[in-house]
Amino acid sequence: QKEVEQNSGPLSVPEGAIASLNCTYSDRGSQSFFWYRQYSGKSPELIMFIYSNGDKEDGRFTAQLNKASQYVSLLIRDSQPSDSATYLCAVGPMDTGRRALTFGSGTRLQVQP
Amino acid sequence: GAVVSQHPSRVICKSGTSVKIECRSLDFQATTMFWYRQFPKQSLMLMATSNEGSKATYEQGVEKDKFLINHASLTLSTLTVTSAHPEDSSFYICSARDRGSGYTFGSGTRLTVV
Repeated sequence: QKEVEQNSGPLSVPEGAIASLNCTYSDRGSQSFFWYRQYSGKSPELIMFIYSNGDKEDGRFTAQLNKASQYVSLLIRDSQPSDSATYLCAVGPMDTGRRALTFGSGTRLQVQP
Repeated sequence: GAVVSQHPSRVICKSGTSVKIECRSLDFQATTMFWYRQFPKQSLMLMATSNEGSKATYEQGVEKDKFLINHASLTLSTLTVTSAHPEDSSFYICSARDRGSGYTFGSGTRLTVV
């Protein structure tokens, strides 16, 4: 069983729609949860992180965490063609940063103009 | 925001030669640097964790004698791919925990071994 699972996609949504990206993880000890966006041939860039159950909003992005279900999601409102990329879910510990994140395989999002 | 500078961005080398990749944290001290490798259409796979002033910790299946990691200062970590072969061709990325709560990534190095 993979530690962090994501649907590889592609997830195709029309411009202006809401894109919903999902992620499940197996380690109940995980304390920190991250969403990264990666364009082809580029390095991942942080979209947002979440530590507590519930929702966290930042602009057009909302991260949702449910630790009981070991589930984290990312909603992108008013999707734009520039949002087309691979979205990586990552989980990690709540510590001083001496342990690496564990990444899912990513979901490819295509926003159709 | 926190920046990790990674060089070179792209390198082509001949089989059997060695390549050094550098990662510098520009505005923060990175006591720990993580090195990842990413093959096409696959996720990031952790290769090793380097801690300033001590030996790196390698993930299972990663040859420490082939992928030499040096973390001599709080702002610099290097990965040397020794005796590179075509199967080592990949996208190598470093990452460090920044002053906030995120992990900042370098821009990546595309290595092609011919």
